[in-house]
Amino acid sequence: KNEVEQSPQNLTAQEGEFITINCSYSVGISALHWLQQHPGGGIVSLFMLSSGKKKHGRLIATINIQEKHSSLHITASHPRDSAVYICAVSLDYGGSQGNLIFGKGTKLSVKP
Amino acid sequence: NAGVTQTPKFRILKIGQSMTLQCAQDMNHNYMYWYRQDPGMGLKLIYYSVGAGITDKGEVPNGYNVSRSTTEDFPLRLELAAPSQTSVYFCASSYEGRGTEAFFGQGTRLTVV
Repeated sequence: KNEVEQSPQNLTAQEGEFITINCSYSVGISALHWLQQHPGGGIVSLFMLSSGKKKHGRLIATINIQEKHSSLHITASHPRDSAVYICAVSLDYGGSQGNLIFGKGTKLSVKP
Repeated sequence: NAGVTQTPKFRILKIGQSMTLQCAQDMNHNYMYWYRQDPGMGLKLIYYSVGAGITDKGEVPNGYNVSRSTTEDFPLRLELAAPSQTSVYFCASSYEGRGTEAFFGQGTRLTVV
């Protein structure tokens, strides 16, 4: 079983729709990261959170530590939001050196 | 701000050749990482470093070597390239490791033929 599971794997939406991507993890974490990767491009950090909720523009990230679950929401989606969204966690134990454990990513395509 | 810079962006290698993937960061980060990304899989850790002169193996280190002579640079060496090393490689850095934001390079797409 993967330590970080994302759903859905693929998501197609119409412009303007509200989008939710889910992430579940099975290990103790010090932080959860949401990352964005455009086709052929690098990886950009969107959020890092260890509790509660964060908002940046049309993007909202939430985390429930007790349920080991996080969601990434995109409001009023736009074709430029088309990308792969990756959930990753930093492990919370003494030997951890800060490396991330990654989910497989959710490929989002927003149609005009 | 340059952030994390990787070179080259693309490379085709023949089986048995060697090459070095370069990674440099200008944020004075102590922690640096090399990951590989294969289709349909999450990124996997190859090697990491917690400071100049200190490196250690990650999850998939076979066929690779690293060095960290300065805080800024963390090159990844491929010796005797094999088709299984065809992948996209990402270098990343963070200031303190656990619980701190990670910054990624643009990636190097490597094909071994």
